[in-house]
Amino acid sequence: AQSVTQPDIHITVSEGASLELRCNYSYGATPYLFWYVQSPGQGLQLLLKYFSGDTLVQGIKGFEAEFKRSQSSFNLRKPSVHWSDAAEYFCAEGATRGFKTIFGAGTRLFVKA
Amino acid sequence: DAGVIQSPRHEVTEMGQEVTLRCKPISGHDYLFWYRQTMMRGLELLIYFNNNVPIDDSGMPEDRFSAKMPNASFSTLKIQPSEPRDSAVYFCASRDGGNEQFFGPGTRLTVL
Repeated sequence: AQSVTQPDIHITVSEGASLELRCNYSYGATPYLFWYVQSPGQGLQLLLKYFSGDTLVQGIKGFEAEFKRSQSSFNLRKPSVHWSDAAEYFCAEGATRGFKTIFGAGTRLFVKA
Repeated sequence: DAGVIQSPRHEVTEMGQEVTLRCKPISGHDYLFWYRQTMMRGLELLIYFNNNVPIDDSGMPEDRFSAKMPNASFSTLKIQPSEPRDSAVYFCASRDGGNEQFFGPGTRLTVL
């Protein structure tokens, strides 16, 4: 069965510092991978997605993620965090069209001044 | 496009009452999903539809929950009777052929 693991329940970083949020997926074939962000009281917004091709994908708000098949990982990164990035981040996997998307448990990001 | 529309945004009701949540997906999207989000269990998929037909309802917690999609532009999630443990934020999402889900703003349900 598909599963998505986000090992960190919450992370705190200083404003201006770099960020990496971890995500591991289980699907054996090439997965569809996503990162979503949820600000307090809001729905989920797509940051970026990977279907195929270049393993480093760029998203909105200065985020990027790298697909590593050998590690079954799709970690999210940002070189310099802003206070407005404080939110909950969800990694998700969809095996193919017609399959439901599986979401990780989320990582809550706190940004300190 | 206005995005996925959900109503109401907030609902407060008493235990035993019927609750109906509504969703209008993005025009042209052929998949619709209902999720529930709580602190304890995170984001849970309840049910999803393809071309208005329910495909997987294995996440529906109990028979008290039911969902319908009478046409491509409207879906409802009904809880009857409601219980305090149903208190959560309920999200509707729709999807196009690109496998990306677009989420609505959610309905915050409080059952007293």
